[in-house]
Amino acid sequence: GPKVLQIPSHQIIDMGQMVTLNCDPVSNHLYFYWYKQILGQQMEFLVNFYNGKVMEKSKLFKDQFSVERPDGSYFTLKIQPTALEDSAVYFCASRSGTNTGQLYFGEGSKLTVL
Amino acid sequence: QQQVRQSPQSLTVWEGETAILNCSYENSAFDYFPWYQQFPGEGPALLIAIRSVSDKKEDGRFTIFFNKREKKLSLHITDSQPGDSATYFCAASGIASSSFSKLVFGQGTSLSVVP
Repeated sequence: GPKVLQIPSHQIIDMGQMVTLNCDPVSNHLYFYWYKQILGQQMEFLVNFYNGKVMEKSKLFKDQFSVERPDGSYFTLKIQPTALEDSAVYFCASRSGTNTGQLYFGEGSKLTVL
Repeated sequence: QQQVRQSPQSLTVWEGETAILNCSYENSAFDYFPWYQQFPGEGPALLIAIRSVSDKKEDGRFTIFFNKREKKLSLHITDSQPGDSATYFCAASGIASSSFSKLVFGQGTSLSVVP
């Protein structure tokens, strides 16, 4: 089936540093999402992105967070500066332009902030 | 505010039994309810989904029962297999209300199927 690729699979950084998580969504998909999951628990919505713009973000999407997809390349989540509570697995998801609602998820990027 | 709730948090069944996973929601605007299956170290994968116009959706051993009036739904896994051991997330969105609808997830049910 369709694949969403995420890079890196795991990253360890010191608190205060910047991190960029990369997502290669399913080809021809138009809507992109980031979710945060702590310790295999609930998936929590962070942000969705369409046509170069943030369409909706949650309260978890702090000012230190930003997303972009320059020139159709990777869809990225940048955190600058990082905090201890940012440690989690971040999942990227994408869906097509049809109104089916099916999200395809990547395998996640595990972020550990020390 | 927890918009989507799941129970039980964890469930253990014997191989061959039927596992029943429950989900409830609060927002009446939700009209699309997918269930995702997640194995450790992997991303969630769509298992089966139902729209609010239906009260039942079946796909092989997996069946969703939906009660719109009570805002409840359940996932039944018949003839459970050890390979079904995973975490199952109930999710919801208002698909008809916006093209940018996000999925709201429940806390998940961890299912273990014992041989």
